[in-house]
Amino acid sequence: DQQVKQNSPSLSVQEGRISILNCDYTNSMFDYFLWYKKYPAEGPTFLISISSIKDKNEDGRFTVFLNKSAKHLSLHIVPSQPGDSAVYFCAASARGPGAGSYQLTFGKGTKLSVIP
Amino acid sequence: GAGVSQSPSNKVTEKGKDVELRCDPISGHTALYWYRQSLGQGLEFLIYFQGNSAPDKSGLPSDRFSAERTGGSVSTLTIQRTQQEDSAVYLCASSSVRIAGTETQYFGPGTRLLVL
Repeated sequence: DQQVKQNSPSLSVQEGRISILNCDYTNSMFDYFLWYKKYPAEGPTFLISISSIKDKNEDGRFTVFLNKSAKHLSLHIVPSQPGDSAVYFCAASARGPGAGSYQLTFGKGTKLSVIP
Repeated sequence: GAGVSQSPSNKVTEKGKDVELRCDPISGHTALYWYRQSLGQGLEFLIYFQGNSAPDKSGLPSDRFSAERTGGSVSTLTIQRTQQEDSAVYLCASSSVRIAGTETQYFGPGTRLLVL
């Protein structure tokens, strides 16, 4: 029972174009969402997050959009660069009253390849 | 140190042996998490420590897994009588106190465990 789903295992994008990575979730208790980037043999690196009270958060080339009614979020990278090639994980947590740990529930990841 | 560190970086063991994995969180971070990533899967939550509170062990897959955190800093994850299905990358993360906006988890590089 996957609560966070990344349905595209891989994505290829031309350098300079926009990369759009998608994520769907099923647990309505999730109220905080994060994107992590992972290179081989390294731990995940935090990229950007968004609280459920917002529908957009932007940081440089990275923008995360949240559609709560659709339980969907997406990460936009523009312009894409070859150094962005990595596996991107979507993660979610529930921080409301009564929540236990702020454990993250992760998707399986999307491997992004940016072609020069 | 500047980031989360983990040791060893790689561990090969024989089925049935015990292993200990170590995590040094970011200085000052009160929350510490263990996750594991099996091949082709997303990260799976194992256990959470927050200050002096009782740990959240809800993610531990069996009683062969245990963890402790001494002095509120370094943590050790112990797997007894290892099985081949325990082969995975074990990741440690730490975060600051549970105040909204500061709970982003920062990950170490992981320990790659292979059980033969």
